[in-house]
Amino acid sequence: GQNIDQPTEMTATEGAIVQINCTYQTSGFNGLFWYQQHAGEAPTFLSYNVLDGLEEKGRFSSFLSRSKGYSYLLLKELQMKDSASYLCAVMDSNYQLIWGAGTKLIIKP
Amino acid sequence: IAGITQAPTSQILAAGRRMTLRCTQDMRHNAMYWYRQDLGLGLRLIHYSNTAGTTGKGEVPDGYSVSRANTDDFPLTLASAVPSQTSVYFCASSDTGGAGANVLTFGAGSRLTVL
Repeated sequence: GQNIDQPTEMTATEGAIVQINCTYQTSGFNGLFWYQQHAGEAPTFLSYNVLDGLEEKGRFSSFLSRSKGYSYLLLKELQMKDSASYLCAVMDSNYQLIWGAGTKLIIKP
Repeated sequence: IAGITQAPTSQILAAGRRMTLRCTQDMRHNAMYWYRQDLGLGLRLIHYSNTAGTTGKGEVPDGYSVSRANTDDFPLTLASAVPSQTSVYFCASSDTGGAGANVLTFGAGSRLTVL
């Protein structure tokens, strides 16, 4: 079967750095997405990786290793507004998105 | 403001009743999707439409139907609601329905409780 694994919850301190991991086992691979979802709101797009390596976008970076079935989202200079759930999703060989359950990130002052 | 509008925002429904969740987008996106989100689970695709006039079944289509009469509207109907359909429903759209950076834009969600 197809599976996306990410930690259920993480806690970090304002101003610090946090890395949220995502491992996947899917039927084929056509890209990996990260979305942010604040409580009670819609998910919003953060990043897309289809080739191995690091994609940097401001305070957020996303890394992909296709051979290891692994990605991480790196958040730097954490702010209170970064408290949210972070969803990892993989597009499989049929171009269907498979979603992880999300990682709830709690930022403490 | 460009985006996706969902209605209702929240609804409590008696089991056995029929319910239609509405979804309208103004971005002229070709593809539209309905997902449900339940605690502890990833988003699950109910139905999708790659272009007006066509629809397809997702991972959890049973008990739901959709139509895509035009580009903008993609209503989701529960013919006879059951308690297991209690969930938050998200409508989404994307410019393309397949390969590439198929970025989804989501509506604000409809919270449905079936008693």
